[in-house]
Amino acid sequence: EAQVTQNPRYLITVTGKKLTVTCSQNMNHEYMSWYRQDPGLGLRQIYYSMNVEVTDKGDVPEGYKVSRKEKRNFPLILESPSPNQTSLYFCASSFYNRDNEQFFGPGTRLTVL
Amino acid sequence: GNSVTQMEGPVTLSEEAFLTINCTYTATGYPSLFWYVQYPGEGLQLLLKATKADDKGSNKGFEATYRKETTSFHLEKGSVQVSDSAVYFCALIGGYQKVTFGTGTKLQVIP
Repeated sequence: EAQVTQNPRYLITVTGKKLTVTCSQNMNHEYMSWYRQDPGLGLRQIYYSMNVEVTDKGDVPEGYKVSRKEKRNFPLILESPSPNQTSLYFCASSFYNRDNEQFFGPGTRLTVL
Repeated sequence: GNSVTQMEGPVTLSEEAFLTINCTYTATGYPSLFWYVQYPGEGLQLLLKATKADDKGSNKGFEATYRKETTSFHLEKGSVQVSDSAVYFCALIGGYQKVTFGTGTKLQVIP
């Protein structure tokens, strides 16, 4: 089944404790992206990757890191999480063609205390 | 930069009512336009898209027309059902695959 998976689905952590949210897709998509969803703000793009070893900042990259060492995986790293990073996070992937739809993962709800 | 503006929600309608959710955009060049839907507790999924001016996207009774002259992509459905209750997002993809979403409009359909 074609899908985007994220882990964990739910995470409660404390300020400053490094964490990684994994994202994997099995559709051979070149393009992958991370978003955060906050009430009243919709989805905002954090980082995106156009292919292996090619990443770029989205609209809200501060406090996040990403890497793209393999085509299928695009982990999101929070080196020192803070409470303002409490949010719902979505990973998405697509072929690198702006006519193509993005396929979204199920989301990761992160709470930073 | 690019931007997408959606009408504020929530929108509450009775079953079989006509639905319009407004979406306007600002972008350089010729973006592709999308409507995504998010059901409670789930990720987003594509509802419809249009990739050039005057294109009409349609799916599951929903329609939207890419209007370059008014920079709009309004979502319409002639007769909503309770199962259409969800959050709807307008989005565009511009140069370098840069994606911009609107803030979302929550739709609640009452039997």
